Amino acid sequence: DTEVTQTPKHLVMGMTNKKSLKCEQHMGHRAMYWYKQKAKKPPELMFVYSYEKLSINESVPSRFSPECPNSSLLNLHLHALQPEDSALYLCASSQAQDNSPLHFGNGTRLTVT
Amino acid sequence: GENVGLHLPTLSVQEGDNSIINCAYSNSASDYFIWYKQESGKGPQFIIDIRSNMDKRQGQRVTVLLNKTVKHLSLQIAATQPGDSAVYFCAENSPDSNYQLIWGAGTKLIIKP
Repeated sequence: DTEVTQTPKHLVMGMTNKKSLKCEQHMGHRAMYWYKQKAKKPPELMFVYSYEKLSINESVPSRFSPECPNSSLLNLHLHALQPEDSALYLCASSQAQDNSPLHFGNGTRLTVT
Repeated sequence: GENVGLHLPTLSVQEGDNSIINCAYSNSASDYFIWYKQESGKGPQFIIDIRSNMDKRQGQRVTVLLNKTVKHLSLQIAATQPGDSAVYFCAENSPDSNYQLIWGAGTKLIIKP
């Protein structure tokens, strides 16, 4: 079992829907990440939060909106997605935004219809 | 057309043999390297890391070797077991990249009984 918990495990949504992905960690980590992973590819960084502030946005389209309500929680709000956004969305955390290992959740498998 | 990028490099190893997974990195300023294991349906799992001031680090059944001269990283798994079947990713980190991981393409390890 992973110490980073993601919900839901699977999500199917239409292009007009609004949904949210949730991530939680209780390791006291101060950096949290959203990654997108397509089949047979490495994870691609989307966003980084450091001490609850958005530190990095890798030019992600505005239909993806991150939120960090507190140091343990990270959300990703989805709106008006496209079928090509279907992927595994991974949350990760690390002690800080530095040379410390990332701990990943098991992801949300998102299908956009 | 050609399915470029749809097939991961694959390594097939007999159960009980040692596995060696190789990775070339690109940035001579990278100072931190990490190996992840990703099983089907799960997020990447941290295996072992190494900093640039070392050339070898050992864990339980795993060893990471770093050759900075030729920018090469390898992961050795001793006495490979069926549970080692997964995709293995190397990643590098440097101050140049604001400490965001740069991932290798991944290698799929298959264990033959």
